[in-house]
Amino acid sequence: TQLLEQSPQFLSIQEGENLTVYCNSSSVFSSLQWYRQEPGEGPVLLVTVVTGGEVKKLKRLTFQFGDARKDSSLHITAAQTGDTGLYLCAGIDMEYGNKLVFGAGTILRVKS
Amino acid sequence: EPEVTQTPSHQVTQMGQEVILRCVPISNHLYFYWYRQILGQKVEFLVSFYNNEISEKSEIFDDQFSVERPDGSNFTLKIRSTKLEDSAMYFCASTPTGGQPQHFGDGTRLSIL
Repeated sequence: TQLLEQSPQFLSIQEGENLTVYCNSSSVFSSLQWYRQEPGEGPVLLVTVVTGGEVKKLKRLTFQFGDARKDSSLHITAAQTGDTGLYLCAGIDMEYGNKLVFGAGTILRVKS
Repeated sequence: EPEVTQTPSHQVTQMGQEVILRCVPISNHLYFYWYRQILGQKVEFLVSFYNNEISEKSEIFDDQFSVERPDGSNFTLKIRSTKLEDSAMYFCASTPTGGQPQHFGDGTRLSIL
């Protein structure tokens, strides 16, 4: 069974601070996606990482895929109140089909 | 931007009744998925569908569940005899090809009374 462990579960920080969310597994994934989910809505795709060691940037968000493709991180620089939300990592292992395996999510609250 | 649409947004049903959740995937996508999220828990895979047949299903997807693509645009999830534990958010997703990032609808909140 593939599992993705996400940490921390909750994060409450002041506006302007930096933060990192981690997503770890003992399994290798073909690709890993990061989603953001607002209450009452579906997950919205932020980024996909595919290659071990890959780094992608989306404005103040930096995503990294581990060299062994077992872990990933999301780093937010100078957090803003608009970053508040639930962040989910989800991986695909093509050897097990196309289904996404989700982490439990990190609830981020950015206070002004 | 094209999006996955789901109806209804909220469905309230008596236990034991049948319910059909509907999804319209993005038009040029070929792979379709259903996931569910019980309140406070992880998003869980239910089933994937390609070329008019189920390509993969989880152990959650038992004989009470079925999926169908009745026409060229809709993708449905049917629960034949609902149980209290079926109460959850149900999300539909689609991709153009297998292994590509999945795009999700806003979900249907299913409440079983």
